[in-house]
Amino acid sequence: EIVMTQSPATLSVSPGERATLSCRASQSVSSNLAWYQQTPGQAPRLLMYGASTRATGIPARFSGSGSGIDFTLTISSLQSEDFAVYYCQQYRNWPPWTFGQGTKVEIK
Amino acid sequence: EVQLLESGGGLVQPGGSLRLSCSVSGVPFSSYAMHWVRQAPGKGLEWVSTISDSGGSTYYADSVRGRFTISRDNSKNTLYLQMNTLRAADTAVYYCAKPRTTVITNPFDYWGQGALVTVSS
Repeated sequence: EIVMTQSPATLSVSPGERATLSCRASQSVSSNLAWYQQTPGQAPRLLMYGASTRATGIPARFSGSGSGIDFTLTISSLQSEDFAVYYCQQYRNWPPWTFGQGTKVEIK
Repeated sequence: EVQLLESGGGLVQPGGSLRLSCSVSGVPFSSYAMHWVRQAPGKGLEWVSTISDSGGSTYYADSVRGRFTISRDNSKNTLYLQMNTLRAADTAVYYCAKPRTTVITNPFDYWGQGALVTVSS
C-alpha cells in the first residue's frame, strides 16, 4: 500500500498571499496524483489530477506540480473561499486508492 | 447535471447492519466504476470499496473486507453498500463517488452529499 504524507498539517496564510502545500508518496506514483478541497460540511471537490491538470471549473490560481514521490499544490493568491482542508490522493497502485491525512489552510 | 444522492444512514448498535444506497443521475451509470469513501468525525478520507462498471469486480479496504459488500443495480442507476457486523470504528460519513472517466483508476470528480453512519449502543 502506498502511504501519502502531507505537510504541513496546518498552514496559516493571510488572504491574498501564496500557499504551498506538499504531498509525498512512499513510492513512485508517477503523475497519478490528485488534489481535493473540502470545506466544512461539504463533500470533497476534485481540484487537480495528473499532478498538474486543473479539474473542470477550477480557477487558474490553483496549480500543481511534481512527479514520482514529491508533489506540490500552490494557491497563488488566497481567496476567502480557499480556506479549507486539502487532500492528496494517489491512483497509481490500487487498491487501495490512498489519501494523505490532509492540510488545513486557515486564515492568519 | 451529474448528481449522486446517498440514503440509508443512521444510528445502529455495534454488531448491527445497515445498507447505504447511492442514486446516480446525469451520467451513463453502467459505464462507470463506482466507489465508497468514508470520513470519520474530524478525520481524513478513507477509501472503502469499489465496484467495476458491470459489477463483476469488487475491491475492499482491509478494514471492511468480509463485513461490507458493495453492489450495484445498473437498471436502477443505484450503488449499494451493505454493512454488517458494524463497529464503533465504522462511524463516519460515507460518500459515494464517481471516477472522472470510465477508467476505473481515475480520481473522483463527483461525490454525493454523504450519509452519516453512527455505530453506538
